[in-house]
Amino acid sequence: EAGVAQSPRYKIIEKRQSVAFWCNPISGHATLYWYQQILGQGPKLLIQFQNNGVVDDSQLPKDRFSAERLKGVDSTLKIQPAKLEDSAVYLCASSFGQAGETQYFGPGTRLLVL
Amino acid sequence: GDSVTQMEGPVTLSEEAFLTINCTYTATGYPSLFWYVQYPGEGLQLLLKATKADDKGSNKGFEATYRKETTSFHLEKGSVQVSDSAVYFCALGITGANNLFFGTGTRLTVIP
Repeated sequence: EAGVAQSPRYKIIEKRQSVAFWCNPISGHATLYWYQQILGQGPKLLIQFQNNGVVDDSQLPKDRFSAERLKGVDSTLKIQPAKLEDSAVYLCASSFGQAGETQYFGPGTRLLVL
Repeated sequence: GDSVTQMEGPVTLSEEAFLTINCTYTATGYPSLFWYVQYPGEGLQLLLKATKADDKGSNKGFEATYRKETTSFHLEKGSVQVSDSAVYFCALGITGANNLFFGTGTRLTVIP
């Protein structure tokens, strides 16, 4: 069974530029999560989708971050414009359902904002 | 609020030593508890989990027991190997809620 796929693996941009990350979850997984992991910290949830609907985006900085999952499968997370403090690893995870089920994580995208 | 407090690292052990990584939690509901591991250059992987009090999760020689009375979920292994070198994250999931709350991670280095 293929795992969660993410691209790109690494990205370096200058502040005020825009960037987009892509995630393809495990086949059949209805729930998709985006986490931000700043160096030295644990992952923090940004947004959760159930199929193509948003379940929780309370921690997403909506003035600059956006995410979509139009067909209920793969998802895109965008930052526009980027700030220095956005430098982090962006993790995508998926689960079959929700409510405490095991989440499976992708390898992450490491973003450096200069 | 819901949170996890994890033992700070880094931890360096010799091969075959005993490992304990402490994790305590605060939760308003009935949490499930998880340990995730992140090997160098790889994504987070579920190591073990427990869904109710007194449950013991185990995998690859690692164990953790869900202790409601001490609100703890300490990770243990009797004899570590070099291949166990990784970052370990304790996490909490609330029944009926959606996301996981992670600790800050503990980096373990095992030397031959």
